[in-house]
Amino acid sequence: SQQGEEDPQALSIQEGENATMNCSYKTSINNLQWYRQNSGRGLVHLILIRSNEREKHSGRLRVTLDTSKKSSSLLITASRAADTASYFCATASNSGNTPLVFGKGTRLSVIA
Amino acid sequence: NAGVTQTPKFQVLKTGQSMTLQCAQDMNHNSMYWYRQDPGMGLRLIYYSASEGTTDKGEVPNGYNVSRLNKREFSLRLESAAPSQTSVYFCASSLQGAPTEAFFGQGTRLTVV
Repeated sequence: SQQGEEDPQALSIQEGENATMNCSYKTSINNLQWYRQNSGRGLVHLILIRSNEREKHSGRLRVTLDTSKKSSSLLITASRAADTASYFCATASNSGNTPLVFGKGTRLSVIA
Repeated sequence: NAGVTQTPKFQVLKTGQSMTLQCAQDMNHNSMYWYRQDPGMGLRLIYYSASEGTTDKGEVPNGYNVSRLNKREFSLRLESAAPSQTSVYFCASSLQGAPTEAFFGQGTRLTVV
């Protein structure tokens, strides 16, 4: 079964606003990753945060991780129409070479 | 640099037909994966290969087989296609398992009628 659950399922905002997406997961993790998927395309890796990290930045992206609550958030600041896509969290477990487990995603629409 | 290449990009099959989806990566990655993506379901793992010579079942393996032909190539076979296998299939690879980022192909859109 899927590990991560994103919230909300869909989000619509105006260009220039900030977009926040949340991810909850069930078991202990090695790291948590966020991916982006443009319509009809493959997923592209955005950012990885390790279990011993609490916050990470990359350009307009800010990711937080709270292992006590088993949750993460992805913040996109000053959103652009080009940010319109689906965003997925994926968790990597601590146990051996097991694959990433993806959530169902948040569909973000940024309206110009 | 091609990354992960999947073929074909689109395919229509009749129920009961068989086909093989091909995937190749040129990044010298050890691990490769097959996922399927259905509306509202996110990505679900079908099979993976942690390293050359090994394959393991994922969340939804029924109706599929895989072959890790060599380090570069990982194929997915549908022996007798069913309408429930209509989906978008993604191949991915990573350097060494889940702790590292995964690189995805562009997907194969499969319709079984």
